[in-house]
Amino acid sequence: EVQLVESGGDLIQPGGSLRLSCAASGLNFNAYHMNWVRQAPGKGLEWVSYIGSGGNTWYADSVKGRFTISRDNAKRSLDLQMNSLRDDDTAVYYCARDQDYAFQDWGQGTLVAVSS
Amino acid sequence: QSALTQPASVSGSPGQSITISCGGTTSDIGSYFYNFVSWYQQHPGKVPKLMIYEVNKRPSGVSNRFSGSKSGNTASLTISGLQAEDEADYYCCSFEGTTFYWVFGGGTKVTVL
Repeated sequence: EVQLVESGGDLIQPGGSLRLSCAASGLNFNAYHMNWVRQAPGKGLEWVSYIGSGGNTWYADSVKGRFTISRDNAKRSLDLQMNSLRDDDTAVYYCARDQDYAFQDWGQGTLVAVSS
Repeated sequence: QSALTQPASVSGSPGQSITISCGGTTSDIGSYFYNFVSWYQQHPGKVPKLMIYEVNKRPSGVSNRFSGSKSGNTASLTISGLQAEDEADYYCCSFEGTTFYWVFGGGTKVTVL
């Protein structure tokens, strides 16, 4: 059974930085592409970032230049370094496994609240 | 990276069929080269669940009451034999293969009357 467990969410002031992590188990992690998807309180889903099994990365325009996605296959871990955080980055951040360009498996999410 | 267009709400009685539309552009849903439209179900306070991928494929374990289709720049999710447990938010999503990103719809709240 695939398990994705996010951590690192917190209350942070605007302009601050935060690093999210996602621990994966139950899958051959290094073979899969991974994503971060977020959901602001009471709002819809928004794709944030992708990292391929080979390490290539893509970003939503809303986070490009501020967020960096990375992976450590040895540790089966996916990270999201978030800098220059803004109020509108407040959301639950989900780690999601990509298969066939769809988000096949999801973690439970971790809440990032940006507020002064 | 504009969001796909979904109706805010759709309702139906138990046993009926409903269809949720999802409007996009020639760059995403209507792409000649890609058929990467997916649909997600999300119950309140729960994690999204993949229901349809590649326009009309169902993951293992998803009821065959759920079906997907696409015509031009519009994708659709049909739920047949509506059940109380189908009451949830539904999101469409499409991959855009020119500049590489995914775009979601705003979500549709399905109410079972």
